[in-house]
Formats: sequence, structure tokens, C-alpha cells
Amino acid sequence: NAGVTQTPKFRVLKTGQSMTLLCAQDMNHEYMYWYRQDPGMGLRLIHYSVGEGTTAKGEVPDGYNVSRLKKQNFLLGLESAAPSQTSVYFCASINDLRLAGVLETQYFGPGTRLLVL
Amino acid sequence: AQKITQTQPGMFVQEKEAVTLDCTYDTSDQSYGLFWYKQPSSGEMIFLIYQGSYDEQNATEGRYSLNFQKARKSANLVISASQLGDSAMYFCAMRELGGSTLGRLYFGRGTQLTVWP
Repeated sequence: NAGVTQTPKFRVLKTGQSMTLLCAQDMNHEYMYWYRQDPGMGLRLIHYSVGEGTTAKGEVPDGYNVSRLKKQNFLLGLESAAPSQTSVYFCASINDLRLAGVLETQYFGPGTRLLVL
Repeated sequence: AQKITQTQPGMFVQEKEAVTLDCTYDTSDQSYGLFWYKQPSSGEMIFLIYQGSYDEQNATEGRYSLNFQKARKSANLVISASQLGDSAMYFCAMRELGGSTLGRLYFGRGTQLTVWP
């Protein structure tokens, strides 16, 4: 099992460019999340999905869109990148909490470092 | 209000000594989980230990233990016999079972631990 993988690992964008970050998991997890990590801020939730075809906003969704067309993939899109989106992006997944419970371990991908100039 | 508060931006400990990293949390849920993650300089998020709100005994995992004081809403991480490899950023996190954002983790801002010889 590869667990949670993220593509790309590092990217430099110019302001106004667009890109898509791909998250893939091979654990058949229902729930998937995108977080961003900024210095001194911990991880903050951007968007999440509780199943194929469903997405919802987290606490910092502005400037991002997501899609979950397949259960194993969760895509994060930046339509028009801004310097404020320079960050490290983490994808995570867990099993359905209704089955697994509140202590279900959240599995993280290795992160994507994004620099917007 | 912050769900998770880590008041120590940085901590220093000598090798082989024990160190306590502080974490307080805020929730009105009865059922929740508390987690600690380690983030070394390489950037990945490594799960260390968790504690459920209904667990009466403190969780332990090797050199890690979680000092859970429910009335004080604290969940401090204790690392015994520190090693140089413990130098990293440590994050406290919480999941609420009744939360509207299913399964998401709320993170603190982290504590940078430095172990010196």
C-alpha cells in the first residue's frame, strides 16, 4: 500500500496561473481532506469530502476548488494563484467515522510545497 | 476561539531528559479525541499518540505518554528519555465526534522541540 500520495511535491507558480494538486489514497477511505500549513499557524482545513461526488468547505476555502470524482482521488485546484497561497498543502484521509469512531487515525500525505511569485 | 492552544512556541531539552509539551483544548462535545503529531524537518506528519475523551487511563506509546486532565481540558505530551531524533515540530490536534466537519482535525500552532546533547 502506498497510503496517501500527493502530486507534485513542489511547484513554483506565477501570480494568476492555475494548477491542480492531486491526492490519491489506496486504503478505500471515505473521508478526505485538504489542509494548508503556514508558519506559526498549524494546519487549517481548506475543503473536505465525505464520499465520492461530495465536497464541502472548510475554514479557509477562498481561492480554492475541489473535486472528488473517484473515491480514491481528491483534487485541489487553484484557478488564479496569489502569493497568499504560498504554503505547504497536506492531504489526509480516514475511514468512515460512523464505522471507525472518533479515534480513527488520520493518514497524511507527504505534502506539496507551493510557492507563488 | 481557538479549539487547540499550544502556548510554547519552542522548547529545549537535554538528551535523556524528559520534556512536557503543553496542550489545552476547547470543546462542548462529550465525545472527542486528542492527538499528537510530530513533524520533522523533512515535513511529513507522523502520528504519535491519541486519547479518547472517555478513556480514564492516560495513553502511552513507547516513550510517549499523554497526560490527560479532562477537568482542566489539557492533553500534554510527555516524552521520556529524549533523543536527538526527537527534535521536531509537535502538533496537538482534536477531533469532535459531533462536529459539523466530519472527521476533521483542529490543530494547534505547534511547539518546536530542540534536543541538545
